[in-house]
Amino acid sequence: KAGVTQTPRYLIKTRGQQVTLSCSPISGHRSVSWYQQTPGQGLQFLFEYFSETQRNKGNFPGRFSGRQFSNSRSEMNVSTLELGDSALYLCASSKREGEQFFGPGTRLTVL
Amino acid sequence: AQTVTQSQPEMSVQEAETVTLSCTYDTSESDYYLFWYKQPPSRQMILVIRQEAYKQQNATENRFSVNFQKAAKSFSLKISDSQLGDAAMYFCAYRSSQAGTALIFGKGTTLSVSS
Repeated sequence: KAGVTQTPRYLIKTRGQQVTLSCSPISGHRSVSWYQQTPGQGLQFLFEYFSETQRNKGNFPGRFSGRQFSNSRSEMNVSTLELGDSALYLCASSKREGEQFFGPGTRLTVL
Repeated sequence: AQTVTQSQPEMSVQEAETVTLSCTYDTSESDYYLFWYKQPPSRQMILVIRQEAYKQQNATENRFSVNFQKAAKSFSLKISDSQLGDAAMYFCAYRSSQAGTALIFGKGTTLSVSS
């Protein structure tokens, strides 16, 4: 069974640009969650989608948004990038509220 | 709001020895879940062990076991017979029963294993 995949794995952007990250969950998983990991703040929850609906949202500015498609694939978008957005962005999928399986992450660097 | 605290930024252990990683949390909820995740260097995060708050019995998974003290809001992880492959960052995490799958993580403990 294929695991959670995230694309791209590495990304370099400049301040002010926007970026879209993609996450493909494990087949059959309808819940997708996104997390931001930085050395200073650690792992922080961004949002969760279940059956194309945002079910929960963390404490991040509106520049961070996401969506989920009918095949459960999810994207997150960050607009007007800031230096502080440099981080490892992790996606996790699960069957509703079961065990979460994490992807390898997308390393975003903002210059 | 719930918080998770891991007071040991770094720990070290020798192969075959036992090590305990500490975690405390704060919540006003009575129904929740606690987890320990392992993140090896440059590798994916994986679930080590899970504990439901309503269960009094401590969870065990092979060499990994927890000491869950609900009243004290403490959730420590014991790794027995440590192996080189156990070297990783370990995160303690809390999940409310009312907030979908959202995890609240501690800052993590880096565990090094020496031979």
